[in-house]
Amino acid sequence: GQQVMQIPQYQHVQEGEDFTTYCNSSTTLSNIQWYKQRPGGHPVFLIQLVKSGEVKKQKRLTFQFGEAKKNSSLHITATQTTDVGTYFCAGRTSGTYKYIFGTGTRLKVLA
Amino acid sequence: GAVVSQHPSWVICKSGTSVKIECRSLDFQATTMFWYRQFPKQSLMLMATSNEGSKATYEQGVEKDKFLINHASLTLSTLTVTSAHPEDSSFYICSARPSGRSTDTQYFGPGTRLTVL
Repeated sequence: GQQVMQIPQYQHVQEGEDFTTYCNSSTTLSNIQWYKQRPGGHPVFLIQLVKSGEVKKQKRLTFQFGEAKKNSSLHITATQTTDVGTYFCAGRTSGTYKYIFGTGTRLKVLA
Repeated sequence: GAVVSQHPSWVICKSGTSVKIECRSLDFQATTMFWYRQFPKQSLMLMATSNEGSKATYEQGVEKDKFLINHASLTLSTLTVTSAHPEDSSFYICSARPSGRSTDTQYFGPGTRLTVL
């Protein structure tokens, strides 16, 4: 079945450093979504990417969808303590509404 | 807008009992809802897709007789964990996909933490 892997599994950074998490799908995706989950909370939708090679920015966050639509990345510039949490990608293949979540990357930001 | 609620937010039950979890879309209609399970420090695992007025579609490895799903209206889906055992203890999260919209956004509920003693 479809698998979505993320690396790294964990990342500790000093406040102000950059952070990147990578998402790789075993199958070609129709679109991909990114979520953030704070400890004890539920996933919060960040963004959706649909087009091959698409790049979207939200303030310090940059999201990219690979040309082959099988991988994606989330880059955070100059991390802040408020960025702490687990970041999940979730991919959907064509012909279905369901999303398969990636394994997640847990980010800790040290002040 | 686009708020999804879950009830209860947490529940503790004895082994062998059944527990019902409700997922409601408060300000939109959702033909499709999804049920996920999340173990500590792990990802969300899709359990089933709940479709209003029809049978749920279960993911491979998920027992449909163990996890009963009912989607009786456009704003409510329920998940019943039958004859719960300690290994069923987990965080159960639902999400709802607004009907009739072109976007694929799904809105998540706050989750229900189930502990089976």
